[in-house]
Amino acid sequence: DVKVTQSSRYLVKRTGEKVFLECVQDMDHENMFWYRQDPGLGLRLIYFSYDVKMKEKGDIPEGYSVSREKKERFSLILESASTNQTSMYLCASSVGTNYEQYFGPGTRLTVT
Amino acid sequence: GQQLNQSPQSMFIQEGEDVSMNCTSSSIFNTWLWYKQDPGEGPVLLIALYKAGELTSNGRLTAQFGITRKDSFLNISASIPSDVGIYFCAGQLRRGGATNKLIFGTGTLLAVQP
Repeated sequence: DVKVTQSSRYLVKRTGEKVFLECVQDMDHENMFWYRQDPGLGLRLIYFSYDVKMKEKGDIPEGYSVSREKKERFSLILESASTNQTSMYLCASSVGTNYEQYFGPGTRLTVT
Repeated sequence: GQQLNQSPQSMFIQEGEDVSMNCTSSSIFNTWLWYKQDPGEGPVLLIALYKAGELTSNGRLTAQFGITRKDSFLNISASIPSDVGIYFCAGQLRRGGATNKLIFGTGTLLAVQP
């Protein structure tokens, strides 16, 4: 079975803090994705990566950056957290040209 | 970003009833996926569809790839309490060149009364 893990299930941070969200997949998938999920807005793509050290902006990249130094790990960085970044963050991965994405359990981030 | 129109937004049914939900788009899709999300968890892939007209089952779940390539349907037969959750459709819209991005529906919240 594909396993995607995220470093924290719940996180509380203060405004202005730098926040790191980590995602690891154990199936040697090339593609990794970061989404945020908000009530009424569904899943919105923040960033994705097709390969190590490669990244592309999704639909809402503002206020976020990413890092992919190893194939199995994709990090989402909030350089200076703001209250409007309070959300559920979901990581996903997929293999090659296959469109089936497998999700982690999510990190519920609260910025106060 | 583009989103798929998913309906109904919510359903409240009795255990044992059958359920139908659908996703529509004004654009043509090459792939349709259906996910279920339990409260506080990440979405779990239920069914993947790759050909227009394709009908695929996974236990009590059956999904179809619409013949026009602009819609997809998910049916759940004989619902049980553990079917409770949010069901999402997702599609792959090919814009030219390789892309693995998915577009997600707005979700259908399913509640099952025992």
